[in-house]
Amino acid sequence: DTAVSQTPKYLVTQMGNDKSIKCEQNLGHDTMYWYKQDSKKFLKIMFSYNNKELIINETVPNRFSPKSPDKAHLNLHINSLELGDSAVYFCASSRDLAGEQYFGPGTRLTVT
Amino acid sequence: ELKVEQNPLFLSMQEGKNYTIYCNYSTTSDRLYWYRQDPGKSLESLFVLLSNGAVKQEGRLMASLDTKARLSTLHITAAVHDLSATYFCAVDMRNSGYALNFGKGTSLLVTP
Repeated sequence: DTAVSQTPKYLVTQMGNDKSIKCEQNLGHDTMYWYKQDSKKFLKIMFSYNNKELIINETVPNRFSPKSPDKAHLNLHINSLELGDSAVYFCASSRDLAGEQYFGPGTRLTVT
Repeated sequence: ELKVEQNPLFLSMQEGKNYTIYCNYSTTSDRLYWYRQDPGKSLESLFVLLSNGAVKQEGRLMASLDTKARLSTLHITAAVHDLSATYFCAVDMRNSGYALNFGKGTSLLVTP
C-alpha cells in the first residue's frame, strides 16, 4: 500500500540512451516533485507540478522532460543520457503547494 | 539564493553521549524540516518546525527553531546505534513554490 511509488528502482543504461522513470502517488495529492541526489548525497529540486501544471523548473538541462498525465503521476523522461546524470532520483508529493512532502523510494540511475 | 548549511557534515559518537547538529539558513523561510536517510533508502520525515521557538521531540531526538538567528538544532540524547544515519535539514519558501532546499546532510555514526 505504498503512498509514493517509483519504477524502476534501479536503472543501468549506456550513454546516449533515452530512459523514463515513473512516479505514482495514491494519496490524492495535488503537487508532485522530482529531486536529484548526487553521489555526495546532495539533494536538489528539479521540477514541481501542481494540478498537472509546471510550477518549478530549476536549472535542469532540457534533456530532462517531466510529464504529468494526471495528478497522480509525474514521470521523468531523460534524453541522451550522460555520465553526470548518474544519481538517485526521488519523487515526492504533497497535498498542495504548501503541504508536507512525502518521498518515494528513489530510482538509482547509473549511466555507463 | 537560499543557502542551507549544516554542521558537522560527519559525526562519530559513542553510544550514550549527547550531541547537537546545527542548521543555518540564509534568508527568511516558511518552514524548516529534518529528515533521516538510511543507506540506500528514502527520506523519512522527522520534524516540521513552523515558528520561532518551536521545539519538537521524538524519542532521543529533539529539534528546535530560532527564526531570528535562522538556526535550527537537532539534539541527540544518549545516542544508540540505531540512530546511525544521515540527517538532513531543509527549508522551503513560498516564493520558490515551496520546493525544499536541503543542507548537505550530517552523516552520523554511533559506535559502542
